[in-house]
Amino acid sequence: AQSVTQLDSQVPVFEEAPVELRCNYSSSVSVYLFWYVQYPNQGLQLLLKYLSGSTLVKGINGFEAEFNKSQTSFHLRKPSVHISDTAEYFCAVSLAPSGGYNKLIFGAGTRLAVHP
Amino acid sequence: AAGVIQSPRHLIKEKRETATLKCYPIPRHDTVYWYQQGPGQDPQFLISFYEKMQSDKGSIPDRFSAQQFSDYHSELNMSSLELGDSALYFCASSSGLNEQFFGPGTRLTVL
Repeated sequence: AQSVTQLDSQVPVFEEAPVELRCNYSSSVSVYLFWYVQYPNQGLQLLLKYLSGSTLVKGINGFEAEFNKSQTSFHLRKPSVHISDTAEYFCAVSLAPSGGYNKLIFGAGTRLAVHP
Repeated sequence: AAGVIQSPRHLIKEKRETATLKCYPIPRHDTVYWYQQGPGQDPQFLISFYEKMQSDKGSIPDRFSAQQFSDYHSELNMSSLELGDSALYFCASSSGLNEQFFGPGTRLTVL
């Protein structure tokens, strides 16, 4: 079975500071990795994904993540955050390869709070 | 670009009533997933359909059932509602690339 651990439930940070949201996963088989963002009272928006290839993945809104197979991690980073980045961030995995119908298993989420 | 449509967006029901949630996937997407997100919790997978057949099942109560129709839209039917069913229900669709696109969710409140 697969599982996802987000090591920080809340991350407070000042505007324009760098941030890292940590995610570790557990799986005996290859997985695909995702980061989703959820703004208050809204749905889930895909930030970025790792399927294969380069371990450094760039996403939307200036976010990037690095897949580290040996450490089973997929940490999300942004060099300079904005107030508008305040949201809940979810790390998720699914089995790979697949026929495109594999469920996502989510971590518990990290609430990023950006302060002026 | 077209997105996943869910209806209704908000639903209020009494205990022991039934509810039907609808999901319209992105055109040409053949797979639909349902997730439940309780207050302050992460989304939990309920059930999925591929080409109108159930493809996977998660922690979906026996009181819930779902199906995918010939036009690929899906419905989640919930009976004998309990207070604990109050949650945000997401539908997501994909076209086999393993990237799921999420709808805005239906917020169900059971009183």
